[in-house]
Amino acid sequence: GENVEQHPSTLSVQEGDSAVIKCTYSDSASNYFPWYKQELGKGPQLIIDIRSNVGEKKDQRIAVTLNKTAKHFSLHITETQPEDSAVYFCAASRAYAGKSTFGDGTTLTVKP
Amino acid sequence: DVKVTQSSRYLVKRTGEKVFLECVQDMDHENMFWYRQDPGLGLRLIYFSYDVKMKEKGDIPEGYSVSREKKERFSLILESASTNQTSMYLCASSEATTNEKLFFGSGTQLSVL
Repeated sequence: GENVEQHPSTLSVQEGDSAVIKCTYSDSASNYFPWYKQELGKGPQLIIDIRSNVGEKKDQRIAVTLNKTAKHFSLHITETQPEDSAVYFCAASRAYAGKSTFGDGTTLTVKP
Repeated sequence: DVKVTQSSRYLVKRTGEKVFLECVQDMDHENMFWYRQDPGLGLRLIYFSYDVKMKEKGDIPEGYSVSREKKERFSLILESASTNQTSMYLCASSEATTNEKLFFGSGTQLSVL
């Protein structure tokens, strides 16, 4: 089955700096790669996703890049703000065909 | 606003009790999922369902069962709760057509004493 590895497990940055979280996946048939943000006391919420026919996607301060050959994808947050502090999860799945496999999560802390 | 609602935010049960965790979604989604969240282990899939009365085992189904009698409701059952089932339980749903974006509930923190 699919295996997703996520690094780092914790990340601390100063407000205004950039943050990068990286994931690798094992199943070359995976074609959908979402990122979820989980704030304290809440369930995860989708913040951005990318499909395998696209190399990069951007939404304001967040972007995701995908390297299919190397089987890795990354989340980039620029100009970080304290409200970006949360746990971030990457995931991989085959769209239309089944369950998502999640990484272990990254706890991001943005210091004011 | 679309919602996945889990019936309890916190639950404390005794070892050996039968425990029901309820989840309801109002988005008319066909797919529903139960995940377990433990520190450092991410989200692990327990069971999922693609339709009413249908269920499939996820990665860690041992000690759990599920019920889906209605499209909007998906229940997780711990037949005989054990201390190693102390965890955060998250319910999620998604559209059948794409099976992509997951909508999560706020979670139930279960403590088994």
